[in-house]
Amino acid sequence: EIQMTQSPSSLSASVGDRVTITCQASQDIMHYLNWYQQKPGQAPKLLIYDASNLETGVPSRFSGSGSGSVFALTISSLQPDDIATYYCQQYDDLRALTFGGGTKVEI
Amino acid sequence: QLLESGGGWVQPGGSLRLSCAASGFSFSSFTLSWVRQAPGKGLEWVTGISPSGRTIYYLDAVQGRFTTSRDASRNTVYLQMDGLRVEDSALYMCVKDRIGDSVAASVFDHWGRGTLVSVSS
Repeated sequence: EIQMTQSPSSLSASVGDRVTITCQASQDIMHYLNWYQQKPGQAPKLLIYDASNLETGVPSRFSGSGSGSVFALTISSLQPDDIATYYCQQYDDLRALTFGGGTKVEI
Repeated sequence: QLLESGGGWVQPGGSLRLSCAASGFSFSSFTLSWVRQAPGKGLEWVTGISPSGRTIYYLDAVQGRFTTSRDASRNTVYLQMDGLRVEDSALYMCVKDRIGDSVAASVFDHWGRGTLVSVSS
C-alpha cells in the first residue's frame, strides 16, 4: 500500500496569505495525484487532478504542482470560503487507492 | 446525483447492504466507488467497481467481508457488508469516477452525501 503523508496537519493563516500544503508519497507515483477540499458537513470536492490540472469551476487561486513523490497544493490568496480540510489521493496503484491524512485550514 | 441509503446501527458480526442510486450520467460508462469517513477522521477508499462490473477492487481490511455489485437496469450500485466490526463504523459515500470506460477508479469527481453505518454492542 502506498502511504500518503500530508503536512502540516493543520494551519492558520490570514485572508490574502499564500498557503501551501504538501503531500509526500511513500514511493514514486509519477503524476497520479489528486487534491480534494472538504468543508464541514459537506462531501469532498475535487480541486486538482493529475497533480496540476484544475477541475472545471475551481477558482484559479488554487494550483497543484509536483511529480514523483512530492506534491503541493497552493492557494495563492486565501479567502474565507477556503476554510476546509484538504486531502491528497494517489491512484498510481489502482487496486489500492489511498488518501493523505488531511490538512485543516483555518483563518 | 448519487443517493446512498441502507445505513444504520448493527452489532459486531452483523450485516448491512448499502445502495447508491445514480442519476444524471451514463451509469454503464463509469467506475463507481465507496469511500468511508469515520467521525472526525479522514477519507478511506473501500472498494471500486468497473462499468461492466467485472473488475472490482477492495481495501485489504474489508476483503472477504464486503461485496460490491451494480445493477444497470436500476442505475444502482450496492455494498454488501458482512462480518461488520466496530472499526467499520463510518459515513459511507458513493463516488463517481471522472474518467469514463476505465476499469478502475482514479479521480473522484462526484460524491454522494453518504449513509451512516454504526457498529457497536
